Amino acid sequence: SQTIHQWPATLVQPVGSPLSLECTVEGTSNPNLYWYRQAAGRGLQLLFYSVGIGQISSEVPQNLSASRPQDRQFILSSKKLLLSDSGFYLCAVQGANSPLHFGNGTRLTVT
Amino acid sequence: DQQVKQNSPSLSVQEGRISILNCDYTNSMFDYFLWYKKYPAEGPTFLISISSIKDKNEDGRFTVFLNKSAKHLSLHIVPSQPGDSAVYFCAAKASGTYKYIFGTGTRLKVLA
Repeated sequence: SQTIHQWPATLVQPVGSPLSLECTVEGTSNPNLYWYRQAAGRGLQLLFYSVGIGQISSEVPQNLSASRPQDRQFILSSKKLLLSDSGFYLCAVQGANSPLHFGNGTRLTVT
Repeated sequence: DQQVKQNSPSLSVQEGRISILNCDYTNSMFDYFLWYKKYPAEGPTFLISISSIKDKNEDGRFTVFLNKSAKHLSLHIVPSQPGDSAVYFCAAKASGTYKYIFGTGTRLKVLA
């Protein structure tokens, strides 16, 4: 079965600082990988998805970026955080013939 | 443009009764629908799904109904239990695409 490792669980960063959130997956090969964000009082917003190494599709233009350097590694980054980047960031994976499964998320607070 | 809508932000139900959570969508290309349950500070957990070739799918206490003509789906939980108290998200996807579009969620509170 799939296991999603997402860290850290919580993060407090000042405005203008960089960000790097990492997600790694076990138990599946060639998965589709996703980054979602849940802002306060809002639903799950799709940020990026990837169907293969080096392939990134961006859904929301903003100061975030994503990279997939390995088959089961997905990284969310920012060069300079904004207050509006605060939220709950979720990595998700879809393996063959399975629904979307989520990691436990990272609570990011930008101060 | 919100393609998947959950118009009820919250719902309270007595333990043992039926909980009905609703979801509407606008994109007629969606043909696969899912429900997720989310506790605070955790990732959503998959509950049940349905493809557009069916109008009902049942798994234990959870049943999902799909009305394609109305572009509406609902999740029924019978009987409701206090442990079901959580935020429920519906999601939709079109075949041939990779994007799962989520609604804004409904907070269910089951009262003991």
